[in-house]
Amino acid sequence: AQSVSQHNHHVILSEAASLELGCNYSYGGTVNLFWYVQYPGQHLQLLLKYFSGDPLVKGIKGFEAEFIKSKFSFNLRKPSVQWSDTAEYFCAVNPYTGGFKTIFGAGTRLFVKA
Amino acid sequence: SQTIHQWPATLVQPVGSPLSLECTVEGTSNPNLYWYRQAAGRGLQLLFYSVGIGQISSEVPQNLSASRPQDRQFILSSKKLLLSDSGFYLCAWSPSGAYEQYFGPGTRLTVT
Repeated sequence: AQSVSQHNHHVILSEAASLELGCNYSYGGTVNLFWYVQYPGQHLQLLLKYFSGDPLVKGIKGFEAEFIKSKFSFNLRKPSVQWSDTAEYFCAVNPYTGGFKTIFGAGTRLFVKA
Repeated sequence: SQTIHQWPATLVQPVGSPLSLECTVEGTSNPNLYWYRQAAGRGLQLLFYSVGIGQISSEVPQNLSASRPQDRQFILSSKKLLLSDSGFYLCAWSPSGAYEQYFGPGTRLTVT
């Protein structure tokens, strides 16, 4: 079955530290890729997306993600985190042949210490 | 701009009672609509999605059903709730033909 794996369930960082959240998926065909974020008390919202083209995509609030096809990975990065980045982050994959079905990872809770 | 509404925000229901959760989208037409259940540490589980009125795809066989009586209305129902139906239910929409989704505030359902 198709699946999405997020390597870390909980991450604690100090402000200004660099962030990398891992995401791997198990589908071998063409995919659309997403990172969503849920800030405390807020709706789940789109952080960034990859459909095609440059494998390095930039999203809101200084986040970026790199698609590495050979590794089936779509890792999320930010050079310097802020306290306001404390949130839960979800990686999601839409297999090209899956219609509009999107598979979500289990999420990573990030806590940034001020 | 587009907005998505879900209600109620919280609900406590006894086992065996019926369920109706409603989701409506404003500011767009012919959206794709989705129902998810979110469990702590387990991500989002897609329950149903719809690409048009009366068109429902079920992803997980269970005690729930969905309906789309109007273009921007999506309803999640059950005839008889089970304890295992407790959870956080999210509605989402995407523009027709697009894949990025926009989520509602969710409904916290507790079955007692």
